[in-house]
Amino acid sequence: SQKIEQNSEALNIQEGKTATLTCNYTNYSPAYLQWYRQDPGRGPVFLLLIRENEKEKRKERLKVTFDTTLKQSLFHITASQPADSATYLCALSSRGNQGGKLIFGQGTELSVKP
Amino acid sequence: DVKVTQSSRYLVKRTGEKVFLECVQDMDHENMFWYRQDPGLGLRLIYFSYDVKMKEKGDIPEGYSVSREKKERFSLILESASTNQTSMYLCASSSGTEKFFGPGTRLTVL
Repeated sequence: SQKIEQNSEALNIQEGKTATLTCNYTNYSPAYLQWYRQDPGRGPVFLLLIRENEKEKRKERLKVTFDTTLKQSLFHITASQPADSATYLCALSSRGNQGGKLIFGQGTELSVKP
Repeated sequence: DVKVTQSSRYLVKRTGEKVFLECVQDMDHENMFWYRQDPGLGLRLIYFSYDVKMKEKGDIPEGYSVSREKKERFSLILESASTNQTSMYLCASSSGTEKFFGPGTRLTVL
């Protein structure tokens, strides 16, 4: 069956360290993968998109990698800050999806301590 | 800025009631989506629409229907609410790959 899995346990790190979040998928052929941030009581907010033919994407302190052989994406936040504390969701769109249909992972909660 | 608004932030209904959740976007997006979010299960797609009067079932459509009479508005309908439909409901819109989400409606069915 098709599955997207993220670290189910919350990730606690110290301010200034790099946070690394994992997203694994099975039985999908993704055209692209996205990462979203969600704060409590709010809707998700788009952060980054990486396509199947891209290995890495960067945006300020954020970096995403995509390994279609391992069927895995890693999401890094460098020089993390307490304001980065939130739940991070990965989502993928399979090839041929109509209307940009996305399937989401369950999310990983990140807590950055000062 | 793209804005997606949902009719209520919090809603309490009784079992068997018909419930309407409204979503409006102001960016002329073709695609609109309804998700529900539950702890440990993440966001699950209920229905989506890629054009006016068009709709497609998502992964968990049972117990729900939708309506899209105008491009900017996408309604989710619970024909007869049940307690297992207590959840956070999120609407989203897009014209390409990036999804813009509303703030969510937390629905409690008693």
